[in-house]
Amino acid sequence: DIQMTQSPSSLSASVGDRVTITCRASQSVSRNLNWYQQKPGKAPHLLIFDVSSLQRGVPARFSGSGSGTDFTLTISSLQREDFATYYCQQGYGTPPTFGQGTKVEIK
Amino acid sequence: QVQLAQSGAEVKKPGASVKVSCKASGYTFTGYYMHWVRQAPGQGLEWMGWINPYSGSTNYAQKFQGRVTMTRDTSISTAYMELSRLTSDDTAVYYCAKDRITLAGIIIPSFEYWGQGMVLTVSS
Repeated sequence: DIQMTQSPSSLSASVGDRVTITCRASQSVSRNLNWYQQKPGKAPHLLIFDVSSLQRGVPARFSGSGSGTDFTLTISSLQREDFATYYCQQGYGTPPTFGQGTKVEIK
Repeated sequence: QVQLAQSGAEVKKPGASVKVSCKASGYTFTGYYMHWVRQAPGQGLEWMGWINPYSGSTNYAQKFQGRVTMTRDTSISTAYMELSRLTSDDTAVYYCAKDRITLAGIIIPSFEYWGQGMVLTVSS
């Protein structure tokens, strides 16, 4: 299985901050890399697919980049509603696998 | 709008089985893979498998082979996931999730819409 490793596991930030989360795959996943946001007690929500394509309805402050094994999710100006846990997921290999999550908390 | 409505919470004893339903609406049920993903308390996300609602074909994660069965009823746009020989390690929230890409394309799993989750507790 392809292992996905996110860093950091958690971070504290303030409203308006620029936040970057990284995701590293144990082998190349080409551009088959997606990002999800999950709030407590809720299902995950697709933010970005294929590394950098924004899902419909997702604010433009979210962006993704990378290729191969190293990927980044950036929130350009953190809003209160962005405090959540973020997961990367690769769809290149079977089974699809997720990172362990990055919890973004209020500073 | 796309909606995936899952069945309600269940409490099961070790060794029992559970069958979770996922009723789809707002899109062509037979046009997209349906996945099942679970999340143990305080843990991350774990893919269990997918079903092709058009053909009924399935692909299960090796971890669950022999213990999971995914089926569908196209007449009511509903997918099912049955997990047998339950242990306490199966205590989790179980989600169904619609794939973003149609069946006409190569399957590269991405989970566009999710059900609300079904809480399963396995306890003696």
